[in-house]
Order: sequence, then structure tokens, then C-alpha cells
Amino acid sequence: NAGVTQTPKFQVLKTGQSMTLQCAQDMNHEYMSWYRQDPGMGLRLIHYSVGAGITDQGEVPNGYNVSRSTTEDFPLRLLSAAPSQTSVYFCASISLGGTKRDTIYFGEGSWLTVV
Amino acid sequence: DAKTTQPNSMESNEEEPVHLPCNHSTISGTDYIHWYRQLPSQGPEYVIHGLTSNVNNRMASLAIAEDRKSSTLILHRATLRDAAVYYCILRDLSNYQLIWGAGTKLIIKP
Repeated sequence: NAGVTQTPKFQVLKTGQSMTLQCAQDMNHEYMSWYRQDPGMGLRLIHYSVGAGITDQGEVPNGYNVSRSTTEDFPLRLLSAAPSQTSVYFCASISLGGTKRDTIYFGEGSWLTVV
Repeated sequence: DAKTTQPNSMESNEEEPVHLPCNHSTISGTDYIHWYRQLPSQGPEYVIHGLTSNVNNRMASLAIAEDRKSSTLILHRATLRDAAVYYCILRDLSNYQLIWGAGTKLIIKP
């Protein structure tokens, strides 16, 4: 298992540009989510999904879109990047059943800078 | 939504036990208590989780108060590699959302 894979690891964007952060998991987890973490703070939920075709907003969804066309992939799109979106982004997945249920698996993070 | 409260930082000596407290006075009956830790420039790493009973694993123990309004993560013998930010998190089973606190920065002195 590769676990949760995020790409890219580092990205610099200009204000107004759009981009997609990719997240893939090979554990057949139903639940996937995106968080952002600003310096010295805990993680804040952007969007989440409990299965293919189902997405919902978290605490800080403005400026971001998601889709879940397959169980494996959960991309995060920045529509028009703003400096306030400079942050570290983490993708996470959770199994909702089985022996590993409730264990949260995180990707390694994507460092995004908007200039 | 339930929230968690943790001390900003704690210090401990190497090879001594560490008790990291977390208050979650508004916890609901369906909220699991999770602990994760995060090293600089890395993603959070699972430590332990539980619902009502105390839990033990290779990394740590989790002591949950009888009324579930607080919990304590216990590292039995801290090493320098345990220096990290420790997050106490509630997971709402009704909507699977994770509620993060600000975390406790654990400093281990050699």
C-alpha cells in the first residue's frame, strides 16, 4: 500500500491563478478530506467526502472546490488563488469499517505559496 | 460542536513518563477521542484513540475520565524522538468530521 499520496509537495502560484492539488489513496477508504494548516495552528477542514459522488463543506470551504468521481481520488481545486491561501494542505482518509476503522491516514502535505 | 482544550506546551525529561491532558467538556456520546502528533514539516501521525475505556498500544496509553469530559495521553518513557506537537481530536461519528484543538508542543530535555 502506498497509503495517501499528495502531489505536488511544493507549489508557488501567482495571485489569480488556478491549480489542483491531487490526493489519492489505495486503501479503499470511504472517507476522504482536505485540511489546511497555517503556521502555529491546528488543522482546519476545507471539504470532505464520505464516498464517490458525495462531497460536503467543512469549516473553511471558500475559494476551494472538490469532486469525488472515484473512491481513490479526491482532488482539491483552487479557483483563483489568493495570498490568504498560502498554507500547508493535508489530505486524509479514514476507513469506516473493518479492523482499521477510525484510524486516520494523512498524506505528507503540500506546501503552497501564493504571491 | 464539541471543542478540545490543551496546554500550549509542556516540558519533560528524557526517559521519564509524560502526561498530556486534554479537556473536552462538551463531548457527545458519539465522539471518539483521537490523539495524533506532528513533527515539523510532516503530516500528523496516529498515536491512539478510544471511546470510553482506557486504551494501550505500543506507543502510548490513553486514560479517559469516567464522564468523558477529559482525557490524558501517557507516554511511558519519553525519548527525544517524542518531541512533537500533540493534538487531541474529537471525531464525530454522525458526520465523520474531526475537531482539532491547537495542540500541545512537547519539549523533551536530555
